[in-house]
Amino acid sequence: KQEVTQIPAALSVPEGENLVLNCSFTDSAIYNLQWFRQDPGKGLTSLLLIQSSQREQTSGRLNASLDKSSGRSTLYIAASQPGDSATYLCAVSEGGSEKLVFGKGTKLTVNP
Amino acid sequence: NAGVMQNPRHLVRRRGQEARLRCSPMKGHSHVYWYRQLPEEGLKFMVYLQKENIIDESGMPKERFSAEFPKEGPSILRIQQVVRGDSAAYFCASSPRSRGPYEQYFGPGTRLTVT
Repeated sequence: KQEVTQIPAALSVPEGENLVLNCSFTDSAIYNLQWFRQDPGKGLTSLLLIQSSQREQTSGRLNASLDKSSGRSTLYIAASQPGDSATYLCAVSEGGSEKLVFGKGTKLTVNP
Repeated sequence: NAGVMQNPRHLVRRRGQEARLRCSPMKGHSHVYWYRQLPEEGLKFMVYLQKENIIDESGMPKERFSAEFPKEGPSILRIQQVVRGDSAAYFCASSPRSRGPYEQYFGPGTRLTVT
C-alpha cells in the first residue's frame, strides 16, 4: 500500500530565505507526482507536476525534483515571501485510475 | 475557462439526513475524482468516475455513500443517513483523461458539518 510522508510537518522561516520541503513515498511504481498548495479553508492549487520519467520541473521560484528509485521528491522555494505561507501537499498518482495518494502536508509560515 | 465548481460550499446536516454534494468539472474534462479531508487528516481518495461509469470506488465506504456522473449534469456524491464522523471537507477534481501525465484540477471543496 502506497504511503506518502512529508517532513517537516511545519516550518517557519524569515522572508527571503530559500527552503526545501521533503516528500517520500514507499512504492516507486507511480505515474507522476504533484505538488499542491492549500490555503486555510480553501481548495488545492496545483503547483508542479513531474512525470515519472522526469527528474525535475520548474515554475518561477519553485523547483521540484523527483528521484523515483529512492522514493523521494523535494520542493525548493527560492526567496520566500509572506504570500508563500500555506500548507504544501505532495501527492503521487498510481494504479490504472491515477488516483492521488496524499501526504499530510507541510505547513509553511514565512515571517515578514 | 471556468475551473472546477462545487456546490454548496458549506452544508450543515443533522444526523440521519441526506447530503448531496455537486461537482461540475472543467470544460472538456470527462474524468472526475472525489477526495475527503477529515479534520487533522490528509486527503483520501474516494471514487473515480467517467461519464455514466464508476471506474474505481476502492476508497468509498461500503455503506451510505454513493456517487454518479450522469451523461448530462454534474457529478453527485451522495451520503445517506449522515453521522458526525462524516463531517469533513469533500473535494472534487477533474482531469481531461486518465492516461498520461494529466494534472488533476481541484475545486474549492464542500465543507460538510453534521450536527
